[in-house]
Amino acid sequence: TQLLEQSPQFLSIQEGENLTVYCNSSSVFSSLQWYRQEPGEGPVLLVTVVTGGEVKKLKRLTFQFGDARKDSSLHITAAQPGDTGLYLCAGEGGQGAQKLVFGQGTRLTINP
Amino acid sequence: DAGITQSPRHKVTETGTPVTLRCHQTENHRYMYWYRQDPGHGLRLIHYSYGVKDTDKGEVSDGYSVSRSKTEDFLLTLESATSSQTSVYFCAISRDRWAEAFFGQGTRLTVV
Repeated sequence: TQLLEQSPQFLSIQEGENLTVYCNSSSVFSSLQWYRQEPGEGPVLLVTVVTGGEVKKLKRLTFQFGDARKDSSLHITAAQPGDTGLYLCAGEGGQGAQKLVFGQGTRLTINP
Repeated sequence: DAGITQSPRHKVTETGTPVTLRCHQTENHRYMYWYRQDPGHGLRLIHYSYGVKDTDKGEVSDGYSVSRSKTEDFLLTLESATSSQTSVYFCAISRDRWAEAFFGQGTRLTVV
């Protein structure tokens, strides 16, 4: 059982559409990180959210940490082919453990 | 980009043989991690290090050992490789424990 569940696992949409990826858990996290990974490369950190209810924006990407710090979402506006990749969320401190756990990832494909 | 290099990038080995993967960093970060990435599982922590000669187990440590004799190098050893250890292995570094991590490009290991 994954401590962090991402949904959807796969998403294929047309350029210009909006989308939201979810990262959910029954555990409370101290912080949550979002990474993007391209084929043949390691994950690259996009953002870290720390405070419940926090919203961070990175150009067309909006990240939100749930009020209870159990879930997070990533919203992309007007998706572009360059947004294609595997998006991973990672939570720190879930179930009181001092560690970082990753969701299984959302594979996003933006079609021109 | 963070200075982190993994070697080799690709390796095919036979069941039962020992294998060592190397991670080298030039950032002088205290924390180093080894993860494996498999479809449907995201990234899972194998071992991590919090200083020279200081290491601890992650969630999937069975069959793996690590060593860190210098700040810049973190070695992952499979004492006797099995087919279940076929995976992509990533090394990561961070300045603080479980904080923003910088990943290497990965090593694709195939055990036949």
